[in-house]
Order: sequence, then C-alpha cells, then structure tokens
Amino acid sequence: DAGITQSPRYKITETGRQVTLMCHQTWSHSYMFWYRQDLGHGLRLIYYSAAADITDKGEVPDGYVVSRSKTENFPLTLESATRSQTSVYFCASSESTGAGEQFFGPGTRLTVL
Amino acid sequence: DAKTTQPPSMDCAEGRAANLPCNHSTISGNEYVYWYRQIHSQGPQYIIHGLKNNETNEMASLIITEDRKSSTLILPHATLRDTAVYYCIVRPGGTSYGKLTFGQGTILTVHP
Repeated sequence: DAGITQSPRYKITETGRQVTLMCHQTWSHSYMFWYRQDLGHGLRLIYYSAAADITDKGEVPDGYVVSRSKTENFPLTLESATRSQTSVYFCASSESTGAGEQFFGPGTRLTVL
Repeated sequence: DAKTTQPPSMDCAEGRAANLPCNHSTISGNEYVYWYRQIHSQGPQYIIHGLKNNETNEMASLIITEDRKSSTLILPHATLRDTAVYYCIVRPGGTSYGKLTFGQGTILTVHP
C-alpha cells in the first residue's frame, strides 16, 4: 500500500538489548524524520535525513543510531535500550524541499523493561 | 526558531466554528506558520500552513495577523472527530530546513 508504514507497531524489550524500528515510505520523499513522544514533552526530533546516506542529529539523538541506504527506508536502532527510551516513536517523510508538509506514520509503541 | 504560545485546552460545540489562537511574537521574515493535529494514538496530521497571507483548504482556514505575530486556525464546522491536540509550529522555509519543533499544543474537545 502507498504511504508511510512503521514496524513493529508494538514492542516490548529488556534493558540492554538492541532494538530496530523500521520505517518505510512509498512516495520517494527525500526527507525522513524520527520523533519520539513522551507525556509532558510533546514530539521531539531524534534524527532526520535529507537524502540517502545523509543523516543529521535532531534534538535528542543520544542512544540512537540511524541509517539511510535506500531512499524509502529509514531504520532507527537503539543499540542498548534503556528504560528512558520507553516511548512512542513516529517516523515522518516530506518532499524534496523539506519545507512542505510532513507525513507521519502510525507510530511504534516501545516499552523497555 | 520562533517559539509559539497556545492555550492548553479549548472546548467547542459540534457544528460551531472552532477558533484556535497561536502567538508567535518572535517570528522572523522567512518563517512559516504550520498547523498540525494529533488525534489520540495516531501520528500527527498536517492541516495547513502560511507565510503572511490568509490560507484556506478543505480542512481549515488560517488567519495570520498583518504583523505576523499571531495567527488563528479556524475549523468552520467542528465535528466530534475534530477532537485532537492542535499544534502551531513556526519554522523557516527553504530547502535546507525540514525540522518541525512541536510544543505542547492545544487540546480541542468538541462536545455534542
């Protein structure tokens, strides 16, 4: 289906484990973004990517790693999960200018025990 | 980026217009005003954006004051499905800056 998808939708893991959240978009948008949403903080940008093989840090990048080998995919990896990374994660994409609207995925709810 | 100030919550009766204010007194000349909303447990949804002229689309109207220091999002005929958190965001335009900075937003509750 066309659009932006995230997987898994729900994930429970343990402290110290590596977790990868997947994001896939079918529009060939150049820009992709990862946000996390926590109560009391709204959405905060973790990382973004302007094109394949180009990534940059957002507001809260510590503890996360991203890659962008293909335009349509933008995985987010927690190399050693911590309880503070329990959150809802949203992926988004936008067209080449980066100034237009961003389209958000449905989110991944991650719980770190 | 310019910061925005929104009321934490508002109520509206179904079928009436919902007018959501936003203050952005430090906005600079190249910054756009964007509105997004987030319905419970879903990803944010783009509504509308503008630079200095008023804008209208199928979802809403955006009224920006002449000095650009504030704006109002208008949902002309609110429905129960418009109950959501509404975010006013100010960000530069151009090709090199795609980041959105979300504040706390306004929780709009539409009552029957």
